[in-house]
Amino acid sequence: RKEVEQDPGPFNVPEGATVAFNCTYSNSASQSFFWYRQDCRKEPKLLMSVYSSGNEDGRFTAQLNRASQYISLLIRDSKLSDSATYLCGQDTGSARQLTFGSGTQLTVLP
Amino acid sequence: EPEVTQTPSHQVTQMGQEVILRCVPISNHLYFYWYRQILGQKVEFLVSFYNNEISEKSEIFDDQFSVERPDGSNFTLKIRSTKLEDSAMYFCASSDRASGWVGNEQFFGPGTRLTVL
Repeated sequence: RKEVEQDPGPFNVPEGATVAFNCTYSNSASQSFFWYRQDCRKEPKLLMSVYSSGNEDGRFTAQLNRASQYISLLIRDSKLSDSATYLCGQDTGSARQLTFGSGTQLTVLP
Repeated sequence: EPEVTQTPSHQVTQMGQEVILRCVPISNHLYFYWYRQILGQKVEFLVSFYNNEISEKSEIFDDQFSVERPDGSNFTLKIRSTKLEDSAMYFCASSDRASGWVGNEQFFGPGTRLTVL
């Protein structure tokens, strides 16, 4: 079975800390990977797309390691507003539907 | 900024009743998806739709489910005879890319919370 695995956490970090999440995947045919954030009882919101080795957007850096089949998300200088569940996803199948992990819960503490 | 919209935000129904969940995808998008998320669990793919037909569906999407694009803007998910285990959040998503493109960034609507009693 093709799956995406994430450490569920929770990760509790102080404001300003750097935190990293990993995600492993088993479907090596996937071309692209995504990090979404999901607030409680809300929809997933696209945070970053990763097609090649990595992507950076401000405080957020995503890296892809195809050889080891994992992607990571690094959040620097974490803010209280970063508290959410972070979903790792890969597109699979002929329709490029997303397969998600269970999510990693992050709480940034004041 | 364009966004996916969904109605209703919350639907309560009796077991065995039919429900229709509605979505308006982003206007220039051509690829549409339904996902569901049972409380506390993963977001799971149900079905994808392109060019007025289903392109792929998961094992969850059995004969009780159907999708339709009745006009140029709406995209609906129908559950013919709801079961207790259909209670979940249902998300619609759309994208403007598919197989062959490098990225297939999907944008999600706010969801419909379905409660089956």
